[in-house]
Amino acid sequence: DAKTTQPTSMDCAEGRAANLPCNHSTISGNEYVYWYRQIHSQGPQYIIHGLKNNETNEMASLIITEDRKSSTLILPHATLRDTAVYYCIVRSLIKAAGNKLTFGGGTRVLVKP
Amino acid sequence: GAVVSQHPSRVICKSGTSVKIECRSLDFQATTMFWYRQFPKQSLMLMATSNEGSKATYEQGVEKDKFLINHASLTLSTLTVTSAHPEDSSFYICSSKGKNIQYFGAGTRLSVL
Repeated sequence: DAKTTQPTSMDCAEGRAANLPCNHSTISGNEYVYWYRQIHSQGPQYIIHGLKNNETNEMASLIITEDRKSSTLILPHATLRDTAVYYCIVRSLIKAAGNKLTFGGGTRVLVKP
Repeated sequence: GAVVSQHPSRVICKSGTSVKIECRSLDFQATTMFWYRQFPKQSLMLMATSNEGSKATYEQGVEKDKFLINHASLTLSTLTVTSAHPEDSSFYICSSKGKNIQYFGAGTRLSVL
């Protein structure tokens, strides 16, 4: 069952902020929101994760709505090397839940010059 | 630097041969590692969960006798594709579970002729 919904693709301009939306309306209280990206022919790369507070690191910012039903990944200044498929994943950190990362279709982001 | 090392990055083999892929967790001990498979233009599909010192847990539809997993130490898991056939050609990716973040190897592209 798909637990997240993301746009299939989006373009963004180099140097501008890229805002990637994700809907996770059935998220439960113990599930975190994780973002990964996969550049062509490489393994997925961890970007950021959060529970309910907004998070920021050197790669991106994660904005989670107050009801936790959706989130937005923000790449503040997109570069051509940010072209990739971005995956939004909800995951429980409770051991009994298996801790599996289940990948959906993701958003194919193309950064254009 | 890489947190998870996967080897080889690419392998081409004849139909009927077996291929072993190694996955090493470099920065931490991993009691749990994961093996994924990705066909062209598709998302990652979890094949199995590799548990150190015990049998792997396979996802539904994945043949355990064909995809042998060994997790003999806290830093090494191996996937052996036995009697490989052209339909096994795919991108195989391993992952190591850290405290809250799952890290991925660079992937192994298997081509069976």
